[in-house]
Amino acid sequence: DARVTQTPRHKVTEMGQEVTMRCQPILGHNTVFWYRQTMMQGLELLAYFRNRAPLDDSGMPKDRFSAEMPDATLATLKIQPSEPRDSAVYFCASGLQQGLRTDTQYFGPGTRLTVL
Amino acid sequence: AQTVTQSQPEMSVQEAETVTLSCTYDTSESDYYLFWYKQPPSRQMILVIRQEAYKQQNATENRFSVNFQKAAKSFSLKISDSQLGDAAMYFCAYRSSLLSGNTPLVFGKGTRLSVIA
Repeated sequence: DARVTQTPRHKVTEMGQEVTMRCQPILGHNTVFWYRQTMMQGLELLAYFRNRAPLDDSGMPKDRFSAEMPDATLATLKIQPSEPRDSAVYFCASGLQQGLRTDTQYFGPGTRLTVL
Repeated sequence: AQTVTQSQPEMSVQEAETVTLSCTYDTSESDYYLFWYKQPPSRQMILVIRQEAYKQQNATENRFSVNFQKAAKSFSLKISDSQLGDAAMYFCAYRSSLLSGNTPLVFGKGTRLSVIA
């Protein structure tokens, strides 16, 4: 049963610390999304990649957030330095796009981040 | 930019009854996808149903069906024979169907559904 995996599931850290979240997309999927969920803003897009190339990262605070895909099986989201307002659940989702055919996005279980 | 509105922050339904969750959206595009996702307390986002805008027939998936009104930009979800396991947060989502392929989802704020035994 193919699924998106995310680590860690929970992270508690202090303000100013670096946080790294990892995502393993479903094997063969070529599009990866990072979403953030908060009570105030709901679910919002942070960034997404296709074939490992960033297509849109306009939802990310550029000064502290960075997203990369070192290879096709790993996506990372880093926050440095972290702030209390970054406390949220971060979801990774993956999907397949081949030609004009687009696939459903499948979500990972999320990383719940708490910044004290 | 596209927007998705869910006007019912909370809904409740008696077990075995039917409930309808509302969703409206705003877009200037003619081709797009619409989705309903379920998020139980585990936080996992689970796809419930999807609708392609070019299809006139409403999508159905077992006890879940949609009423897609393209002209009115309305996309409601009907849950029949509600079960305790249906209790969750439900999100309506829009996705552009650009030729560039799998594009990001735009979500509504969600509707929290309670099922009463």
